[in-house]
Amino acid sequence: AQRVTQPEKLLSVFKGAPVELKCNYSYSGSPELFWYVQYSRQRLQLLLRHISRESIKGFTADLNKGETSFHLKKPFAQEEDSAMYYCALSGHSNTGKLIFGQGTTLQVKP
Amino acid sequence: NAGVTQTPKFRVLKTGQSMTLLCAQDMNHEYMYWYRQDPGMGLRLIHYSVGEGTTAKGEVPDGYNVSRLKKQNFLLGLESAAPSQTSVYFCASSQGTGGWWTEAFFGQGTRLTVV
Repeated sequence: AQRVTQPEKLLSVFKGAPVELKCNYSYSGSPELFWYVQYSRQRLQLLLRHISRESIKGFTADLNKGETSFHLKKPFAQEEDSAMYYCALSGHSNTGKLIFGQGTTLQVKP
Repeated sequence: NAGVTQTPKFRVLKTGQSMTLLCAQDMNHEYMYWYRQDPGMGLRLIHYSVGEGTTAKGEVPDGYNVSRLKKQNFLLGLESAAPSQTSVYFCASSQGTGGWWTEAFFGQGTRLTVV
């Protein structure tokens, strides 16, 4: 079964501390993995995807097929990073459907 | 460029009432989706459409119906609302599937309360 698991409901760190939001997935093939972010009072938007292998707003995520993980990392958290983060998976079903994790609220304290 | 627009933004329904949520996109996207967001459960797919005139069930379709008569619009209907349908509903669209085409663009959400 396809599944995305984000084990932490809430992650609270101080400004300048490193951040790692965990994401594990279950999928039999080679999925596409994404991180979406929802800032307060804003719509959900794409943060980054594994195929781009780029850094967005200082965040990076590496797909580890052996551990079936796609953890989101940032070396130095900023207060404006406070938001809800969702890890999502798209299988190869030519429908574009996304399977989302439960979401992790990141709180960056001053 | 409005992107994906949902109407209404908020609604309170009584149990048993019906309503329709409207989603409109101006990006000429083929694919459209309705998700519901509940605390601790993330977003779950209700129904989706891979093109005008097509619809399909997602993960949690019971109690909902959809229609895609025009490419730019995707309607979600609740025939007889129940308290379990209290949620935030998100519409999304995407240009295609695979690689760069898979990015989903979301509406601002509709907060529905059924009392």
